[in-house]
Amino acid sequence: GENVEQHPSTLSVQEGDSAVIKCTYSDSASNYFPWYKQELGKGPQLIIDIRSNVGEKKDQRIAVTLNKTAKHFSLHITETQPEDSAVYFCAATSGGGGGADGLTFGKGTHLIIQP
Amino acid sequence: EPEVTQTPSHQVTQMGQEVILRCVPISNHLYFYWYRQILGQKVEFLVSFYNNEISEKSEIFDDQFSVERPDGSNFTLKIRSTKLEDSAMYFCASSATPRGNQPQHFGDGTRLSIL
Repeated sequence: GENVEQHPSTLSVQEGDSAVIKCTYSDSASNYFPWYKQELGKGPQLIIDIRSNVGEKKDQRIAVTLNKTAKHFSLHITETQPEDSAVYFCAATSGGGGGADGLTFGKGTHLIIQP
Repeated sequence: EPEVTQTPSHQVTQMGQEVILRCVPISNHLYFYWYRQILGQKVEFLVSFYNNEISEKSEIFDDQFSVERPDGSNFTLKIRSTKLEDSAMYFCASSATPRGNQPQHFGDGTRLSIL
């Protein structure tokens, strides 16, 4: 089955700086890669996703890049703000056929924005 | 914005008892999921459900677990004869038609504590 590795486990950056979180996956059939933000006491909130037919996607201060050959994808947050502090999870799934495929999550990155 | 709602937010149950966790997915979604997150660990896929039957399940989803869509709005997870290791956050998610790689939207979870 799919295995997703995520690092770092903790990332502390100064407010206004950029943050990068990296993930690798094992299953070459995976074709959908979402990123979730989880705040304390809340469920994971989808912040951005990318499909395997795209190399990069951007939404305001957030961007995701995908390298299918190397089987890794990254989350980039620019101009970080205090409200970006949270745990971020990457995930992957093959999403094949007509079924509902579960996501395989990474272990999470605790992002701390220092004022 | 439509959201997935879960009840109760916290459930305390004696070991060996049965528990039912409830979810109301986003109304026009047809794919439903259950995940669990043991404290401090990553989110793990349990089961997906589509067209009134299980689409995919993980090794965690053994015979003590079952899912049901008893009516047009609710989606439930039942755990029979709970064990201490079932203590975790349980998240429900849903996604739209038609393919499995559509974005999954999560509820805020039910914290299950087994005593």
